[in-house]
Amino acid sequence: GDSVTQMEGPVTLSEEAFLTINCTYTATGYPSLFWYVQYPGEGLQLLLKATKADDKGSNKGFEATYRKETTSFHLEKGSVQVSDSAVYFCALSNNQGGKLIFGQGTELSVKP
Amino acid sequence: GAGVSQSPSNKVTEKGKDVELRCDPISGHTALYWYRQSLGQGLEFLIYFQGNSAPDKSGLPSDRFSAERTGGSVSTLTIQRTQQEDSAVYLCASSPRQGSHEQFFGPGTRLTVL
Repeated sequence: GDSVTQMEGPVTLSEEAFLTINCTYTATGYPSLFWYVQYPGEGLQLLLKATKADDKGSNKGFEATYRKETTSFHLEKGSVQVSDSAVYFCALSNNQGGKLIFGQGTELSVKP
Repeated sequence: GAGVSQSPSNKVTEKGKDVELRCDPISGHTALYWYRQSLGQGLEFLIYFQGNSAPDKSGLPSDRFSAERTGGSVSTLTIQRTQQEDSAVYLCASSPRQGSHEQFFGPGTRLTVL
């Protein structure tokens, strides 16, 4: 079945460092891809999305490009801030009702 | 406007008891999802409702789990004869329509089975 694999955490970075969180997927057809973020004490919220190959999703300085050839959707940010500390989830929807299939989550901790 | 709300926020119960978890979706959202977030299993899909269509129950882990959605709005997830492995955070999400690209999540109900 469909699945998502993302790099294990925790990831600890200093402020202003470059961030990459790897995400690869296995799916039939052409899924939509998402990054959700869970800040401490808060609910899951959508960070960015891409619905077709070569699309780039972006929000709050984060970017991810839908790469069909490598079945990847890696999350990047050029300069992280302490406020980016959170758990990040990569997810896919194969549009069968829109249910989301999540990766395991990657905890990011940014130190000042 | 109001987001997705869930109640209770925390629930502690004894093994073997039944529990009911409630979700109030965003008004007007036709799709409603339940997920479970646990340490060992990550975030798992449980069940999905879309309008008046039959729900997609493919993620329910056992027949002890059931859910209903009354009047196309509020949903209740029921776990019968709870087991310790049911301990998790249960998340509800709603979406404006089937296949919409964003789901709006509630804060979750943390269930602890002693």
